[in-house]
This record gives sequence, C-alpha cells and structure tokens, in this order.
Amino acid sequence: GNSVTQMEGPVTLSEEAFLTINCTYTATGYPSLFWYVQYPGEGLQLLLKATKADDKGSNKGFEATYRKETTSFHLEKGSVQVSDSAVYFCALSDPGTGANSKLTFGKGITLSVRP
Amino acid sequence: GAVVSQHPSWVICKSGTSVKIECRSLDFQATTMFWYRQFPKQSLMLMATSNEGSKATYEQGVEKDKFLINHASLTLSTLTVTSAHPEDSSFYICSARETGISNQPQHFGDGTRLSIL
Repeated sequence: GNSVTQMEGPVTLSEEAFLTINCTYTATGYPSLFWYVQYPGEGLQLLLKATKADDKGSNKGFEATYRKETTSFHLEKGSVQVSDSAVYFCALSDPGTGANSKLTFGKGITLSVRP
Repeated sequence: GAVVSQHPSWVICKSGTSVKIECRSLDFQATTMFWYRQFPKQSLMLMATSNEGSKATYEQGVEKDKFLINHASLTLSTLTVTSAHPEDSSFYICSARETGISNQPQHFGDGTRLSIL
C-alpha cells in the first residue's frame, strides 16, 4: 500500500536559517503530493502541492519538487521565521481515484524557530 | 478560498454522553468528506470516508456503531461519538474535497478537541 516517510523530529532552528524537511513516499502509479502545516490547536492547512513529476509547489517561501526518480518531495525554505513554528505533514493521495481519493500522511515533524 | 467549518471546537462531557461534531463546507459542495482522529504528537488517522446520500466507508478497526456518520447534504457531514468514554478523548478533524474538480486537495476544518471525563 501507499506510505509516506518523514524525517525524525523535532527540528529547532534559529530565525533566518535554511530549512529542509525530508519526505519520501511509496505508491503505485503517479500520486499527487502535498505538504500540510498545523499550527498549535488548529486543523491542517494546505501549504503546497504537486500533481506530477518535476512539478514544483511553492507558497509563503516554501518549496518542494516532485521527484519521481527518488520518490521524494522534500520541503525547503531559504530563511525561516518564528511564525513558521508548527507541525509539518507530508501526504500523498491515491492517483486518479477522484473525490474519494484518500490521503496518506507521514508522521509529521515539529519545527521550532528561535528568535 | 475554500473553507471548512467544524463545530464545536472544544467539548468536555461526562462518560456515557453522546457527542455530535459538525463539518460544513462553506463555499463549495462536497460529495465526500473525511473524518480523522489525531492523538497528541501523532499523525492523522483516517477513520472514515463520508459520502453524501449513502453509507460511510469505515477504515479497518473503526467501530461503525461507535462513530456514527451522517452526510445528509452536499455541505454537511456529522460525526456522533456514541456513549463516549475517556479513551475516546482525542482531536477529531474533518476534511472535504470540492465535488467535480479533479486533483483538488482536501481542505481541513480546525478540529474538535473532545475530552471525556
């Protein structure tokens, strides 16, 4: 079945540091890939997505590129801010199954950014 | 953008009480909604897929009679935790995907924190 593996956390960085959060996946076919962010006490918000190989999703300074050859979707940001402190989830959805397509989540990783 | 509203955001009740949680898509129609459960510092666990006008599809290990799901309209799904006990205490999150548009992501509610005393 489908699976998503995220690097172990938590991650603590100083403000303006470079961020990389690794994510690899296992799936048949060509899934869509997502990064979701969860702030304390809240639900998940879509951060970015990519639907096919070599697509780059980007939002709020975050980027991730869909790499089929390495089955990866690593999240990067050049300069993190304190407000980026949150839990980040990598996820994939079953390819081509329409509205019922389920999301498979990684375990999530907590990012803390120090001033 | 698409918004999903979940209510209530927090509920505390006595053991044996039944609790209903609502999930609404505010500016789009959603034939399908999803219910998740999240334990502290853990990922989301899909409980069931809610389908408008038909029975929900439950994931393996989730008790259908314990977690009743009703999806009576294209904008509303409800999850009722029946005869709740302390082990049902958790963070419940719903999501919805806009009907009829391919490759749309799921949009999540802000979650409901359920505490059973």
